[in-house]
Amino acid sequence: KAGVTQTPRYLIKTRGQQVTLSCSPISGHRSVSWYQQTPGQGLQFLFEYFSETQRNKGNFPGRFSGRQFSNSRSEMNVSTLELGDSALYLCASSLASSSSTDTQYFGPGTRLTVL
Amino acid sequence: AQSVTQLGSHVSVSEGALVLLRCNYSSSVPPYLFWYVQYPNQGLQLLLKYTTGATLVKGINGFEAEFKKSETSFHLTKPSAHMSDAAEYFCAVRVNTNAGKSTFGDGTTLTVKP
Repeated sequence: KAGVTQTPRYLIKTRGQQVTLSCSPISGHRSVSWYQQTPGQGLQFLFEYFSETQRNKGNFPGRFSGRQFSNSRSEMNVSTLELGDSALYLCASSLASSSSTDTQYFGPGTRLTVL
Repeated sequence: AQSVTQLGSHVSVSEGALVLLRCNYSSSVPPYLFWYVQYPNQGLQLLLKYTTGATLVKGINGFEAEFKKSETSFHLTKPSAHMSDAAEYFCAVRVNTNAGKSTFGDGTTLTVKP
């Protein structure tokens, strides 16, 4: 079974631009969660989508948004990029019922650099 | 709200020595606890998880962890370190009221000396 895939793997943008990152979950998984990883803040939860609905949201500004499609693939968008948005963005998929016991499987991440 | 504290941002052991990575959590509802490993430029890989039942959990690559509710701890151990264990390790907590959200500790970088 293929793992979680994220595209692109690397991205360089300039301040003020916007960016869209993509995540394809493991086949059959319906939940996709997004995390931001930085040296200063560590791993921070952005949001989670389940059956095309945002089910949970972290403490990030409205510039960070996401969506999920009917095939469970998810995208996240960051508008008006700031230098501080430079990070590794990880997505994780799980079967996900309402239980948090399901294992989250992580993709390799997208490394975003904002210049 | 949940939180995780990993004691020691860097741990160094000799090859063949015991590995002990410490994790304490805070949660007002029953927690589910996870340990992940991350190699450079890669995502996170699950080592083991505690949900319910047996408090001593065995994972991949010889790692195990014990859930101690009274101490709010979930320390990760391995009897004998291998060079390939050098990586960053993250402890995480999840609860049913926030499905899909993991709260992570700051991570511990494990160095294994030959």
